[in-house]
Amino acid sequence: NAGVTQTPKFRVLKTGQSMTLLCAQDMNHEYMYWYRQDPGMGLRLIHYSVGEGTTAKGEVPDGYNVSRLKKQNFLLGLESAAPSQTSVYFCASRWGLSSYEQYFGPGTRLTVT
Amino acid sequence: GESVGLHLPTLSVQEGDNSIINCAYSNSASDYFIWYKQESGKGPQFIIDIRSNMDKRQGQRVTVLLNKTVKHLSLQIAATQPGDSAVYFCAEDNNAGNMLTFGGGTRLMVKP
Repeated sequence: NAGVTQTPKFRVLKTGQSMTLLCAQDMNHEYMYWYRQDPGMGLRLIHYSVGEGTTAKGEVPDGYNVSRLKKQNFLLGLESAAPSQTSVYFCASRWGLSSYEQYFGPGTRLTVT
Repeated sequence: GESVGLHLPTLSVQEGDNSIINCAYSNSASDYFIWYKQESGKGPQFIIDIRSNMDKRQGQRVTVLLNKTVKHLSLQIAATQPGDSAVYFCAEDNNAGNMLTFGGGTRLMVKP
């Protein structure tokens, strides 16, 4: 099993550009999450999904959109990137109701200039 | 990926000593708590978890203690090794498992 994978690993965007981050998991997990991690802070939840076709807002959803068209994939979109979105983005997945443990991907480092 | 930045609380211990990392949580309704380890350039990795109906849980070389009266969580690492050097995060869940709220992290440095 590859676990949770993220694409790309690094990206530099100019202000106003758009991009999509891809998260994939091969563990048949129901729940998937997108977090951002900024220096000196813990992880903050952007959006999450409790199953294929569902999405919900987390703590810091503004400026981001997500889609979960397939159970194994969770996409995070930035429609018009801003310097404040410079961060490291982590995706995570979780099996379901009986297990709260989240498995994390290796992260995507995004810089917006 | 990258680990967190420059202004984390830091705990420095000698190799072989025991380490205790503390965490204060905010919500008395939280019913699940978890510790993650994050090495530089990697995503967080599960260490141990505990539910609110327990005070203590032990794993391999790690113990988590929960004090609900003062909303305090601690992670004890026995016989700390250089490979334990990382940033450690506690997290709490108060939304039936849908969302974890993470603390700011503590950097553990192990001196050989």
